[in-house]
Amino acid sequence: GESVGLHLPTLSVQEGDNSIINCAYSNSASDYFIWYKQESGKGPQFIIDIRSNMDKRQGQRVTVLLNKTVKHLSLQIAATQPGDSAVYFCAENIGNQFYFGTGTSLTVIP
Amino acid sequence: EAQVTQNPRYLITVTGKKLTVTCSQNMNHEYMSWYRQDPGLGLRQIYYSMNVEVTDKGDVPEGYKVSRKEKRNFPLILESPSPNQTSLYFCASSPGTSGKNIQYFGAGTRLSVL
Repeated sequence: GESVGLHLPTLSVQEGDNSIINCAYSNSASDYFIWYKQESGKGPQFIIDIRSNMDKRQGQRVTVLLNKTVKHLSLQIAATQPGDSAVYFCAENIGNQFYFGTGTSLTVIP
Repeated sequence: EAQVTQNPRYLITVTGKKLTVTCSQNMNHEYMSWYRQDPGLGLRQIYYSMNVEVTDKGDVPEGYKVSRKEKRNFPLILESPSPNQTSLYFCASSPGTSGKNIQYFGAGTRLSVL
């Protein structure tokens, strides 16, 4: 199967600081990537997506960067808030299938 | 309200007893999918469907069946459950047939097979 990994399983940040969550993927055929947020007891929730013909995409307080040369994806959260505490997953799409990373648990310290 | 609904939310069963987990979406989405989530392994795709009567295996299809007779429903069937199928299951749907769109997830079904 595909390998989608995350560099750190846990991340703690101070409230108001910026957060960066990283993800590495292995298949150069991947052409669509998504970041999801999962709170305890809930299903994954879409945050932001990016297609392989882009390097950067911005949303509200979030930015996704895609480096296809090194097969690396990152999620940046600006001014992190307590409500951002959750597990974050990256996912890559190849053909019609999705492959998810194992997740990074983000804790925001008030 | 636009949503993906899974039932039941919690299920305890015994080895070999057939079960079905239902999934329904009210967004008229073509693409639907089932995942299982296990600690340390993230979400793994079991089966997906690009449209009515079209289903395909994902990464971990062994021991599971699905059907897509109607656009809104995508049930997951375990003909003979085994303890290694104890997991948290999620159904998801997205517009279009390729899956290259935002997926909307259900709240999950926690299954324990004894």
